[in-house]
Amino acid sequence: AAGVIQSPRHLIKEKRETATLKCYPIPRHDTVYWYQQGPGQDPQFLISFYEKMQSDKGSIPDRFSAQQFSDYHSELNMSSLELGDSALYFCASSRRAGEQYFGPGTRLTVT
Amino acid sequence: SQQGEEDPQALSIQEGENATMNCSYKTSINNLQWYRQNSGRGLVHLILIRSNEREKHSGRLRVTLDTSKKSSSLLITASRAADTASYFCATDFSNYGGSQGNLIFGKGTKLSVKP
Repeated sequence: AAGVIQSPRHLIKEKRETATLKCYPIPRHDTVYWYQQGPGQDPQFLISFYEKMQSDKGSIPDRFSAQQFSDYHSELNMSSLELGDSALYFCASSRRAGEQYFGPGTRLTVT
Repeated sequence: SQQGEEDPQALSIQEGENATMNCSYKTSINNLQWYRQNSGRGLVHLILIRSNEREKHSGRLRVTLDTSKKSSSLLITASRAADTASYFCATDFSNYGGSQGNLIFGKGTKLSVKP
């Protein structure tokens, strides 16, 4: 069965650079969620989209933005990167009333 | 965690023993889910229990939910070395009429199963 695809899997950036993470949900899933997991931490909800509209917002910094496109894939844009942004970024997808399925994550390292 | 705590933070047992992990939360929820994560890897969904359910089984997993105490437990029976991982509970308390919203994760329990 198809799973959630995230790209890239690993990303190294320098401070103050920008990064774009991509998420391709499971076919026919209409909701996408983004989570951030710092080293040794639990995942923290950032933002979610339902039918291409933002549906909920968590602890997402103003330097980050995200959107969901017409083909339901989503991109998380991160600007003015800081060392503290180094983390695993997970995308999850679901049908509106269904369980969330997580992608393998993108490991971002900011140097 | 914004929502609650898990205990113990770390658990070390021998293969064949049972492992019990607990999770507490603060607000009313629609459902509670348990996830497994191998070190630095993705989150694997284990089981979902709805707020009107008290117990659920899946293979060697048994989950209980006590909404009056706002707590849940995950029991892994006859543990194996391959069960070594971190286990997180996650709660969904969105008001989407039963549909699922964003998840609030607990701190997780790091389980080590020794062969």
